[in-house]
Amino acid sequence: LAKTTQPISMDSYEGQEVNITCSHNNIATNDYITWYQQFPSQGPRFIIQGYKTKVTNEVASLFIPADRKSSTLSLPRVSLSDTAVYYCLVGDLPVSGGYNKLIFGAGTRLAVHP
Amino acid sequence: NAGVMQNPRHLVRRRGQEARLRCSPMKGHSHVYWYRQLPEEGLKFMVYLQKENIIDESGMPKERFSAEFPKEGPSILRIQQVVRGDSAAYFCASSLVRDNNNEQFFGPGTRLTVL
Repeated sequence: LAKTTQPISMDSYEGQEVNITCSHNNIATNDYITWYQQFPSQGPRFIIQGYKTKVTNEVASLFIPADRKSSTLSLPRVSLSDTAVYYCLVGDLPVSGGYNKLIFGAGTRLAVHP
Repeated sequence: NAGVMQNPRHLVRRRGQEARLRCSPMKGHSHVYWYRQLPEEGLKFMVYLQKENIIDESGMPKERFSAEFPKEGPSILRIQQVVRGDSAAYFCASSLVRDNNNEQFFGPGTRLTVL
């Protein structure tokens, strides 16, 4: 399984755009990149997933360069409620009927200040 | 549609006692995962179960830990003769594996404290 490296912590202010970059130099051809968010005292929550180029949903955007050795989670105009730990995970989606045990690193602790 | 439910949310045990953690998956989900999280760390996979079957328990300690997911009722993670090192947050996740949609939905966790 590909190892991921993220900054331990980041600080931002309300209304700013936050970009969290994750390195995954050993990503395999079949691997997808997935980001989870975890608030204190809660379980992780799926944010976004992608394979290459750019993916956007109502919460975030995910940028993946052509070599796929890194990815960047972009949170537009953060608010105080975006303070959380963000995890970057790399792994292959299973074929139908399979399963996927998620491998979490230590994540990035984002603190949003007023 | 209620999300994944776990109970109790907090559990205190003395060394040597047993801890039972319950997880009710989302309605219609038949796949359950258990993870353990120590303070300031990411979640670590423990076990993956389908109804009445343990599929992958490679992350679970060989002794004192067991898990089940019966045909009826919640999934249970059982820790016998707890020790202080078992103190952690235990999260359950469920998924509906169909085609390639295997998103895992997590419960709020059970925080186990061993005195």
